[in-house]
Amino acid sequence: GAVVSQHPSWVICKSGTSVKIECRSLDFQATTMFWYRQFPKQSLMLMATSNEGSKATYEQGVEKDKFLINHASLTLSTLTVTSAHPEDSSFYICSAKSNRGGSNQPQHFGDGTRLSIL
Amino acid sequence: DQQVKQNSPSLSVQEGRISILNCDYTNSMFDYFLWYKKYPAEGPTFLISISSIKDKNEDGRFTVFLNKSAKHLSLHIVPSQPGDSAVYFCAARRGGGADGLTFGKGTHLIIQP
Repeated sequence: GAVVSQHPSWVICKSGTSVKIECRSLDFQATTMFWYRQFPKQSLMLMATSNEGSKATYEQGVEKDKFLINHASLTLSTLTVTSAHPEDSSFYICSAKSNRGGSNQPQHFGDGTRLSIL
Repeated sequence: DQQVKQNSPSLSVQEGRISILNCDYTNSMFDYFLWYKKYPAEGPTFLISISSIKDKNEDGRFTVFLNKSAKHLSLHIVPSQPGDSAVYFCAARRGGGADGLTFGKGTHLIIQP
């Protein structure tokens, strides 16, 4: 149980392109999903918290107009990197937390998306 | 500022022995701690967690210890098995209703046959 699917797993595109990444919880409902980013030799860094039916909460330093998050249902959140540039090249990974079982529930992660902007 | 630190980038342990992975943190507001295991080309998989009101949680071969006064937690794996070879991440939740996790950089555990 607690499977999170993320796709695409790898994207290579030209500078200026917008890229959409999908995150789905396959066997549970998730009011809250999270988006993280990891640069080489760094730890996973939280970008934003995505709540179903409301606006995402962004971490300090993360541009909300650059990284558009939509959480339209209890099983789907999307991250769109708008007008991507080479400095946006990174590993993006989502996670989801189940609605059930109280507040101390772990986040379950997708396999991540490697984004390369040429 | 690294609020969650895993100071050992790698650790090599003989099969059958105990593996001890360490994690230190600086933020006293963290209220929930988790360990994740990651294989190459896969996302992190949840392993075990502990609330800040406890000092120990055990699940099969895995035990997590929390020392709040020292701001230190550790993951014990006993006995270690070849399939335990992976990168282990320590993560902490900020508390106060904020669910986002702060991660360490990971420790690569290698189990020697």
